[in-house]
Amino acid sequence: QKEVEQNSGPLSVPEGAIASLNCTYSDRVSQSFFWYRQYSGKSPELIMSIYSNGDKEDGRFTAQLNKASQYVSLLIRDSQPSDSATYLCAGVTRGSAGGTSYGKLTFGQGTILTVHP
Amino acid sequence: ETGVTQSPTHLIKTRGQQVTLRCSSQSGHNTVSWYQQALGQGPQFIFQYYREEENGRGNFPPRFSGLQFPNYSSELNVNALELDDSALYLCASGRGRGANVLTFGAGSRLTVL
Repeated sequence: QKEVEQNSGPLSVPEGAIASLNCTYSDRVSQSFFWYRQYSGKSPELIMSIYSNGDKEDGRFTAQLNKASQYVSLLIRDSQPSDSATYLCAGVTRGSAGGTSYGKLTFGQGTILTVHP
Repeated sequence: ETGVTQSPTHLIKTRGQQVTLRCSSQSGHNTVSWYQQALGQGPQFIFQYYREEENGRGNFPPRFSGLQFPNYSSELNVNALELDDSALYLCASGRGRGANVLTFGAGSRLTVL
């Protein structure tokens, strides 16, 4: 199993609809999660972080974390054409180097979202 | 506050050559991470530097190496380039050892012919 896996997409929704993006993770991933948005040819931009079980809302975005089922989701309400982008789910994977531990972000493969007018 | 800046933005190399990519971290950040993003894939962790020392490395061969300087800027060096090294190389900075809340630069697009 991949450490972080996203539903493959692409996902197409009409303007004004709710877009639902999902991500599952393995036991190797700790329970700090991030959603990044990446426009074509641009760098990833952090839009949401979630650390606790449950929902976290920020404007039109809601992140949900379900630790028992090991999934994370991102809901985008009232989707706009400007939301069209690739959405990357990332979790923290811990490793050790030289006797100290470190955390690295492990990304899913991304889901392409298109919001059509 | 300035963000993360990377140079060059685009470059073309041939197989077997060497390349150096540069990154200036965001003001106040002391951790730099490098990621490789192949077309259509999510970023893959290469390594992380904290206070000029490597603080974790992903599954990349030794021909991928890096440096962090006292001002927290960083370089990624790739020797003996292979066609599969063609990708977007992303630098990200953060605060503290093992920082996971990262700010990404715009990336360096490397094409190996």
